[in-house]
Amino acid sequence: DIQMTQSPSSVSASVGDRVTITCRASQGISSWLAWYQQKPGKAPKLLIYAASSLQSGVPSRFSGSGSGTDFTLTISSLQPEDFATYYCQQANSFPPITFGQGTRLEIK
Amino acid sequence: QVQLQQWGAGLLKPSETLSLTCAVYGGSFSGYYWSWIRQPPGKGLEWIGEINHSGSTNYNPSLKSRVTISVDTSKNQFSLKLSSVTAADTAVYYCARVRRGYSYARYYYYGMDVWGQGTTVTVSS
Repeated sequence: DIQMTQSPSSVSASVGDRVTITCRASQGISSWLAWYQQKPGKAPKLLIYAASSLQSGVPSRFSGSGSGTDFTLTISSLQPEDFATYYCQQANSFPPITFGQGTRLEIK
Repeated sequence: QVQLQQWGAGLLKPSETLSLTCAVYGGSFSGYYWSWIRQPPGKGLEWIGEINHSGSTNYNPSLKSRVTISVDTSKNQFSLKLSSVTAADTAVYYCARVRRGYSYARYYYYGMDVWGQGTTVTVSS
């Protein structure tokens, strides 16, 4: 199985801050990586697919980059509604499709 | 606007079989994979498996011996069965649409873009 490791596991930030979350795959996954946002009690929401493509309807302050084993999700200017947990997911080599352990973004 | 609506029993006893169904409304059923994902309380996401409209399946090897995913194209529904449940199977279960396949012989994966509302399943004696 391909292991996905996110860092940090949690981060505190303020409205307006720029935040970057990193995801590392245990082996190369090309660009077949997605990022999701999950709020408490809700289903995950797709933000980024194919490492850097913005899902329709997602604000442009979200961006993704990377290929191979190292990927990042950047939020350029945090908004109050962005405080949530973020997950990366790979689907290059499966089964199984695997997720990172999650990064909790909290208000400072 | 595609919507997924899921349902099934929320309380099971150990050794029973979990059974959930997800219905697809407002969009095409073919051309996609349809997946089940679960999330234990306070933990991360675990992929269970997927199926397409033709009935082709992929399962998580860690659950494969207990999982069956099936499809009913006449109703635009797909279902999950997980046998011999234990407390470790207690989780919120989600269904999701998967954009994945081959275009001009090139693989692509565009993520799980539509999700069901989630079903809380508790296994307790």
